[in-house]
Amino acid sequence: AQSVTQLDSQVPVFEEAPVELRCNYSSSVSVYLFWYVQYPNQGLQLLLKYLSGSTLVKSINGFEAEFNKSQTSFHLRKPSVHISDTAEYFCAVTEGFGNEKLTFGTGTRLTIIP
Amino acid sequence: ETGVTQSPTHLIKTRGQQVTLRCSSQSGHNTVSWYQQALGQGPQFIFQYYREEENGRGNFPPRFSGLQFPNYSSELNVNALELDDSALYLCASSQGTDSNYGYTFGSGTRLTVV
Repeated sequence: AQSVTQLDSQVPVFEEAPVELRCNYSSSVSVYLFWYVQYPNQGLQLLLKYLSGSTLVKSINGFEAEFNKSQTSFHLRKPSVHISDTAEYFCAVTEGFGNEKLTFGTGTRLTIIP
Repeated sequence: ETGVTQSPTHLIKTRGQQVTLRCSSQSGHNTVSWYQQALGQGPQFIFQYYREEENGRGNFPPRFSGLQFPNYSSELNVNALELDDSALYLCASSQGTDSNYGYTFGSGTRLTVV
């Protein structure tokens, strides 16, 4: 069965500093990987996803994540964070194509320090 | 283009009671999925509805049931409420049943069982 581990429950970062949010997954078959972001009092929003092709995927607001099959990881990075990036970030996985179920990690709360 | 709307936003119920949560899907979306997000946890898949029929179910007991209507809106019903049912319930809509399409989530209904 698929599972997702986000080791860091909270990550405080100074504004304009780089950040990496870690995500590791476990699955016996090929997977598709996602990062969702949840701003305070809002629903989840899709930030970026890896389905196939280039292992480095990017979002429109400067985040990027790299799929590493050998390390079963999909870490999220941003070279310079802003106050507006304060949110909870969830890594999610689905097994194979045509699967309706997303399995989420427990989330990482990113706090930006001015 | 309207997003996913859920009602009510907050709800308090007594153990043993029944509750109905409602979700209007995003325009153009024909599939609705429900997730339960307990405090400090990632969302967990409850079930998905497509063309008014259940299309996949997570590890939740039968007292969790749902409906989808011809306009693609959906209801989640929970009978015989337990204290552990206290959580944020998220509805997500998509253009198809495959989670790879990327879901649009609502802001959720926060259910408190006392």
